[in-house]
Amino acid sequence: AQTVTQSQPEMSVQEAETVTLSCTYDTSESDYYLFWYKQPPSRQMILVIRQEAYKQQNATENRFSVNFQKAAKSFSLKISDSQLGDAAMYFCAYNGQNFVFGPGTRLSVLP
Amino acid sequence: SQTIHQWPATLVQPVGSPLSLECTVEGTSNPNLYWYRQAAGRGLQLLFYSVGIGQISSEVPQNLSASRPQDRQFILSSKKLLLSDSGFYLCAWSAQGRETQYFGPGTRLLVL
Repeated sequence: AQTVTQSQPEMSVQEAETVTLSCTYDTSESDYYLFWYKQPPSRQMILVIRQEAYKQQNATENRFSVNFQKAAKSFSLKISDSQLGDAAMYFCAYNGQNFVFGPGTRLSVLP
Repeated sequence: SQTIHQWPATLVQPVGSPLSLECTVEGTSNPNLYWYRQAAGRGLQLLFYSVGIGQISSEVPQNLSASRPQDRQFILSSKKLLLSDSGFYLCAWSAQGRETQYFGPGTRLLVL
């Protein structure tokens, strides 16, 4: 079965600085998708970014980018120019035969 | 564009009472539909998913059941709630295949 691990339960970053959230996964599949979701205090799950495993180019969405290392089964999220509104729980997710979420990382942004 | 609705937003129910949570999707047809539960400060646990009307797969044996009476309607039910059913329930939809899941606003359920 596929598993997703986020080894950082909590992280903090100064406003305007850059932070990287880690995610690793375990799978024997070759075709899958990876996602980062953000869950602010409202608890609405919001898609941040998505990566197709067959694409070597790392996905980017404005201040959010990923470092996808398929051989290492690693999928980290980099947030640049952090803003107070980035404070939230961040979940890494895998979608292959099953959709699997990691346990989450709580990100605090310090003014 | 597609939208997903859940209601009610908040629910307080006594132990042993029935439950019905509803989820509807607009702007798409034949979506995959999902019910998740999230305990406070925890990750998401997949409860049920459906690939079509009347087709329900259960991921975790529990006190809950799901039904899909219409293409874009997904209902989570219980005949008798337990204290352990308290949590935050999220409905999600995706297009067929290994697509992105989009989530509704969620329902906060407190069983007393």
